Amino acid sequence: GENVEQHPSTLSVQEGDSAVIKCTYSDSASNYFPWYKQELGKGPQLIIDIRSNVGEKKDQRIAVTLNKTAKHFSLHITETQPEDSAVYFCAGQRNFNKFYFGSGTKLNVKP
Amino acid sequence: EAGVVQSPRYKIIEKKQPVAFWCNPISGHNTLYWYLQNLGQGPELLIRYENEEAVDDSQLPKDRFSAERLKGVDSTLKIQPAELGDSAVYLCASSPHSSDTQYFGPGTRLTVL
Repeated sequence: GENVEQHPSTLSVQEGDSAVIKCTYSDSASNYFPWYKQELGKGPQLIIDIRSNVGEKKDQRIAVTLNKTAKHFSLHITETQPEDSAVYFCAGQRNFNKFYFGSGTKLNVKP
Repeated sequence: EAGVVQSPRYKIIEKKQPVAFWCNPISGHNTLYWYLQNLGQGPELLIRYENEEAVDDSQLPKDRFSAERLKGVDSTLKIQPAELGDSAVYLCASSPHSSDTQYFGPGTRLTVL
């Protein structure tokens, strides 16, 4: 089955700096890659996603890039704000089947 | 639009006791998921429903876990008997179809003493 690895496990940045979280996947047939933000005591919330026919997608301060050859995808957050502090999860899916989640990155944005 | 509703939000029980969790998905969503989330880890799928049919329950420990979605709407996940290692957050998610974005509920935090 698919294996999704996520790095780093913790990330601390200064407010206004950029943050980058990277995930690698093992199944070359995976074709859908969502990113979720989970705040304390809440369920994961989708923040951005990308499908395998696209190399990059952007939504305001958040962007995701996908490198199918290297089998990795990354989340980029620019101009970080304290409210960006949370745990971020990546996931991979193949052909509408089971989702495989990374182990999470705890992002701390220092004011 | 109301999101995914789960209850209870917290549950504390002693080992060997039964426990049940309830999930009401977003209206019109055919696909429903139950996930287990251990502390510091990502969600792990327990079972996925397409309407009332369980299409993927390969990760559900069937000796003690059971689930149902009788009318293809809300769902119940049960553990009987609970073990210490079952302490975790149980998340429910739904999507219009398997190919669509999943929307998660707030989860039920289970503590087994």
